[in-house]
Amino acid sequence: KQEVTQIPAALSVPEGENLVLNCSFTDSAIYNLQWFRQDPGKGLTSLLLIQSSQREQTSGRLNASLDKSSGRSTLYIAASQPGDSATYLCAVNPRDDYKLSFGAGTTVTVRA
Amino acid sequence: EPEVTQTPSHQVTQMGQEVILRCVPISNHLYFYWYRQILGQKVEFLVSFYNNEISEKSEIFDDQFSVERPDGSNFTLKIRSTKLEDSAMYFCASSLTGGDTEAFFGQGTRLTVV
Repeated sequence: KQEVTQIPAALSVPEGENLVLNCSFTDSAIYNLQWFRQDPGKGLTSLLLIQSSQREQTSGRLNASLDKSSGRSTLYIAASQPGDSATYLCAVNPRDDYKLSFGAGTTVTVRA
Repeated sequence: EPEVTQTPSHQVTQMGQEVILRCVPISNHLYFYWYRQILGQKVEFLVSFYNNEISEKSEIFDDQFSVERPDGSNFTLKIRSTKLEDSAMYFCASSLTGGDTEAFFGQGTRLTVV
C-alpha cells in the first residue's frame, strides 16, 4: 500500500525567502506525482504534475523535482509572498490503479 | 479554462437522511472520482468511475454510498443514510484518460451531519 509523507507539517518564513517542501512515498511504481495547493476550507488546486519519466517540472516561481528511485519529490517556491500561504499537498498516482494517495500536507505561512 | 464544478458548496443534513452531492466534470474527461477529507485528516479516495461503471472503490465506499452518471454531464454521489462520521469535505475530480493524466478537482462540498 502506498504511503505518502510530507515533512515538515508546518513552515513559517519571512516574505522573500525560498520555500522547500518535501514529499516521500514508499512505492516507486507510479504514473506521476501531483502537487496541489489548498486554501483553508477550500478545494484542491493543481500546481504541477510530474510524470514518472520526468526529473523536474517548472511553472513560474514553482519548481518540482522527482527522484522516483528514492521515492522523493521536492517543491521549491522561489521568493515567497504572503499570498503563497496555504497548505501544499503531494499526491502520487500508483501504476497498479487509478487513484491518488495523498500526503497530509505542509501548511505554509509567509510573514509580511 | 475548463473546471470541475460541485454543488452545493455546503450541505447540512440530519443523521439518517439521504444526501446527493453533485458534480459536473470537465466535458471531455473520461474518468471521474470522489474523494473526501475529514477535518484535519488526509484526503482519501472513495471511488473511481469509468465507462458508466465503478472501476475501483475503497473500503470506505460501503453499501451506504452509490455513484451515478444520470446524463452526459453530471456525476453524483449519494449517501443513503448519513451518519455523524460522514461529515467531511467531499471532492469530485476528473481526468482525461486515467492514472497517467492530471486529475482536476472541484471546490468541494462540505457535508455536515447533525
